[in-house]
Amino acid sequence: AQSVTQPDIHITVSEGASLELRCNYSYGATPYLFWYVQSPGQGLQLLLKYFSGDTLVQGIKGFEAEFKRSQSSFNLRKPSVHWSDAAEYFCAVGLSSGSARQLTFGSGTQLTVLP
Amino acid sequence: DGGITQSPKYLFRKEGQNVTLSCEQNLNHDAMYWYRQDPGQGLRLIYYSQIVNDFQKGDIAEGYSVSREKKESFPLTVTSAQKNPTAFYLCASSRAGGLSYEQYFGPGTRLTVT
Repeated sequence: AQSVTQPDIHITVSEGASLELRCNYSYGATPYLFWYVQSPGQGLQLLLKYFSGDTLVQGIKGFEAEFKRSQSSFNLRKPSVHWSDAAEYFCAVGLSSGSARQLTFGSGTQLTVLP
Repeated sequence: DGGITQSPKYLFRKEGQNVTLSCEQNLNHDAMYWYRQDPGQGLRLIYYSQIVNDFQKGDIAEGYSVSREKKESFPLTVTSAQKNPTAFYLCASSRAGGLSYEQYFGPGTRLTVT
């Protein structure tokens, strides 16, 4: 069965600093990979996605992620964090099971941004 | 504007009562999903539906039921058999088929059962 691991439960960075959130997956084939962001008490918003092709993916709000097959990773990065980036971030892997379409989510990383 | 509506935002019920959470979408998506979110556990899939009048159990379906009588609507009933129903519930939808797995989420309903 596929799984997604986000090893960092909570990360704190200063505003303007760079950010990297880690995501590792376990899946037998090339996965479909996603990063979502959730503000407190809200639904999830898609930041970016990887299906195939270029392993460096650009997303919204200045985020990017790199797919590394050899490391089974899909880490999220941002060169300069803004206070509004404080939120919870979820990595997810897409599964195809027969005719079904499902996502498996990691447990999330809570980001705190210091002024 | 196209999107997903969940109502109500907050819901309180007494133990032993069934409660139904609403989810409506006007994105013309074929697939709809219900997730449960608990602190520190990420999202877990309860039920999903690929087409009208058809749905499948997800990872944690016990104590829940759904219906899909209309393309736009996918209500979730939390029954009295659900042992720990207090949680944040998220509805999502996506285009079925092809390579698109992108799911669009509603704002969620926070259910508290006492």
